[in-house]
Amino acid sequence: LAKTTQPISMDSYEGQEVNITCSHNNIATNDYITWYQQFPSQGPRFIIQGYKTKVTNEVASLFIPADRKSSTLSLPRVSLSDTAVYYCLVVLTGTASKLTFGTGTRLQVTL
Amino acid sequence: GAGVSQSPSNKVTEKGKDVELRCDPISGHTALYWYRQSLGQGLEFLIYFQGNSAPDKSGLPSDRFSAERTGGSVSTLTIQRTQQEDSAVYLCASSLTGGSYEQYFGPGTRLTVT
Repeated sequence: LAKTTQPISMDSYEGQEVNITCSHNNIATNDYITWYQQFPSQGPRFIIQGYKTKVTNEVASLFIPADRKSSTLSLPRVSLSDTAVYYCLVVLTGTASKLTFGTGTRLQVTL
Repeated sequence: GAGVSQSPSNKVTEKGKDVELRCDPISGHTALYWYRQSLGQGLEFLIYFQGNSAPDKSGLPSDRFSAERTGGSVSTLTIQRTQQEDSAVYLCASSLTGGSYEQYFGPGTRLTVT
């Protein structure tokens, strides 16, 4: 199982773009990179998933370089409500019976 | 539509008692998962159900923990002879199919063992 490493915490002001980088040096050919968001007292929520290059949805963008050893979750113009813990996961889609969560990145957004 | 629901939302029990935690997955989702999260930690996988297949119990920490899923829908996680180290938030998730990276989580049950 590929291990992921991400910063423990980040701070940002409202309106800024936030980039959270995750390293996954041992990612395998069929692994996908997946990000979840967790607010206090709630279960995690799926944000975005990608395999290579760039993926964008209404919430975030995910940038994955060609070697796939790292990925960057980009949150445009964060607001106070984006304060949460963000988890980077490497998932073997098709056999993703269990998700392996690390301790995540705690993002604090302030005015 | 309704999301994943869990009950109770909070449970306080005395050490040595048994507890049952309930999960109602999203209708039509064939896969169901249990995780637990200790304070300030990531999630720890406990058990996974997929359709009629034998469950993956590889994450259960001891034989005091068991779970069942009746009729392919509701699931119950049972902890026997609770210990203080069992105190955590127990999260249930479901997904449309097994092997899906997109899991939908319930709000969790906060268990406190005194």
